[in-house]
Amino acid sequence: QSALTQPASVSGSPGQSITISCTGTSSDVGSYNLVSWYQQHPGKAPKLMIYEVTKRPSGVSNRFSGSKSGNTASLTISGLQAEDEADYYCYSYALSSTVLFGGGTKLTVL
Amino acid sequence: QVQLVQSGAEVKEPGASVKVSCKASGYTFTNYVLHWVRQAPGQRLEWMGWLNTDNGNTKYSQKFQGRVTMTRDTSASTAYMELSSLRSEDTAVFYCAREVGATLAFDYWGQGTLVTVSS
Repeated sequence: QSALTQPASVSGSPGQSITISCTGTSSDVGSYNLVSWYQQHPGKAPKLMIYEVTKRPSGVSNRFSGSKSGNTASLTISGLQAEDEADYYCYSYALSSTVLFGGGTKLTVL
Repeated sequence: QVQLVQSGAEVKEPGASVKVSCKASGYTFTNYVLHWVRQAPGQRLEWMGWLNTDNGNTKYSQKFQGRVTMTRDTSASTAYMELSSLRSEDTAVFYCAREVGATLAFDYWGQGTLVTVSS
């Protein structure tokens, strides 16, 4: 099972918006609306930011939003803040009741 | 409040097995599926499998099939993940995580357990 494809790194200045892509196949991202996004700061456990493609858990800033088109899901962070600097992972349900994580994207706030 | 508290760090020799525990509190243990996720140093998250804490059913990633066993003790609200035939590449932090409903989203995570495989 291959990992979902994410850019290794993205960067943006405070106040800007960035988008992180997550590309899978028709067997995972393309077929199911079970895509989640996680934020991970160094040495910490991941934190759920988006689930079921577009839903935001309570307590997560509305600066974070998710979308999907075909086999690619996206996480957009608007109004970048210094504390957004972290690693971000996408995750999708796949055939045969398995799960795939993306390779991770390091977000740098310049 | 919901908490998942994992057992402490382990050092194992190659070929040995390790059993990591994940004790749940603050909710009804058997109402939620638990997943296990591995993260080698500096590497991505890797899904290992899930455990239905109610009936004990499991589903393992093909990568770990045959080496991993996930079990639970409902009386202790504790889940376990045992990984056998350890090799140096298994050195990693192992997390347990609770799934929200049937969304395959993980809303609560354990603090992680570092397993070091070294001779």
